[in-house]
Amino acid sequence: ILNVEQSPQSLHVQEGDSTNFTCSFPSSNFYALHWYRWETAKSPEALFVMTLNGDEKKKGRISATLNTKEGYSYLYIKGSQPEDSATYLCAFIGQNFVFGPGTRLSVLP
Amino acid sequence: DAEITQSPRHKITETGRQVTLACHQTWNHNNMFWYRQDLGHGLRLIHYSYGVHDTNKGEVSDGYSVSRSNTEDLPLTLESAASSQTSVYFCASSFGRGNTEAFFGQGTRLTVV
Repeated sequence: ILNVEQSPQSLHVQEGDSTNFTCSFPSSNFYALHWYRWETAKSPEALFVMTLNGDEKKKGRISATLNTKEGYSYLYIKGSQPEDSATYLCAFIGQNFVFGPGTRLSVLP
Repeated sequence: DAEITQSPRHKITETGRQVTLACHQTWNHNNMFWYRQDLGHGLRLIHYSYGVHDTNKGEVSDGYSVSRSNTEDLPLTLESAASSQTSVYFCASSFGRGNTEAFFGQGTRLTVV
């Protein structure tokens, strides 16, 4: 069983704060790393697909970096807003598609 | 618009019954996946398929089976439902091996009583 871990498990921040989460994964048999945003009562939606060591992706206030050699990826949210409240999942793609347990973010107004 | 749909959205069944959850996608994606979501575990992979007639076991495949007779569908069958299989089930599909995002269905909430 592949070990894909995320930290922290949950996070509460004030509106306007910047925050970041970590996803750690096996450094062998790496093919891709995905980040998904999952709102309550909805389905996960993709934020980023990252395949190369050193990849940096950005979408609005959210960005992500990838280090395949050491097996970690960071997701950053700048100036958090209440609508950013969701669970953020990373997925390690090697032989198959394995998700981490997620980081639950709550942004307080 | 292309989409991925699951049916039913909610189901209650009795222990020991066979149950099939449907997943249908219209993107012509090669890859399809079934996950279950449980508190404290996130999404756990049950079975996956990389093409027609291809099926593979995931992390929690015991008690489940899938078949892929065409590109569009990957039905998930619980051979003999158990209370431990009460969960929310998500189907997903993707085009490439992993260099493209996965798209998820709306989920099926299954209760085994």
